Amino acid sequence: EVQLVESGGGLVQPGGSLRLSCAASGFTLSTYWMTWVRQAPGKGLEWVANIKEDGSEKYYADSVKGRFTISRDNAKNSLYLQMDSLRAEETAVYYCVRGVGNDKWGQGTLVTVSS
Amino acid sequence: DIQMTQSPSSLSASVGDRVTITCRASQGIGNDLGWYQQKPGTAPKRLMYAASSLQNGVPSRFSGNRSGTEFTLTISSLQPEDFATYYCLQYNTFPLSFGGGTKVEIK
Repeated sequence: EVQLVESGGGLVQPGGSLRLSCAASGFTLSTYWMTWVRQAPGKGLEWVANIKEDGSEKYYADSVKGRFTISRDNAKNSLYLQMDSLRAEETAVYYCVRGVGNDKWGQGTLVTVSS
Repeated sequence: DIQMTQSPSSLSASVGDRVTITCRASQGIGNDLGWYQQKPGTAPKRLMYAASSLQNGVPSRFSGNRSGTEFTLTISSLQPEDFATYYCLQYNTFPLSFGGGTKVEIK
């Protein structure tokens, strides 16, 4: 069974940093692009970033470019999102998602940016 | 960047109704479109991919169609478990983009 389990969310002050992790199981991570998507409370879905199977290509939403870094460790079956200079409006549930087509989703981890 | 315009933003319907949700892409995306269902407090679940392919395990009352840059999700006979919010996603070109969502409520 495919499973994606996010961790690392929590409360952080504006301007602070947080690193999210996603543990993948039930499939071979190295054969899939991976995605981060976020959802602010009561709002719609927003694409954040993608990374190619081998990490050689990365794409980011303009809103996070230069502050967020997506990475992966296929040997550890893990995906990461390093988030720096966080803003209050980035309070959201962050989802780890398999593939560019977003076929399987984790349960999400809540990031709260507040003083 | 490709904009996905989803309509309506909400609708009220009764069990057994036929419901159609539309997403229009601002430029051509081929068939690179998915539909997702999200219930409160849970992660989205993919219903359709490649515009009209049904995800394994999804009931056949869900169907997808494409006409040019306009995509539709149809629920042929709305069931109680279908009351949720639905989103489209274009995955043809980065940045990926979601539609704004359609909340399907009970009439």
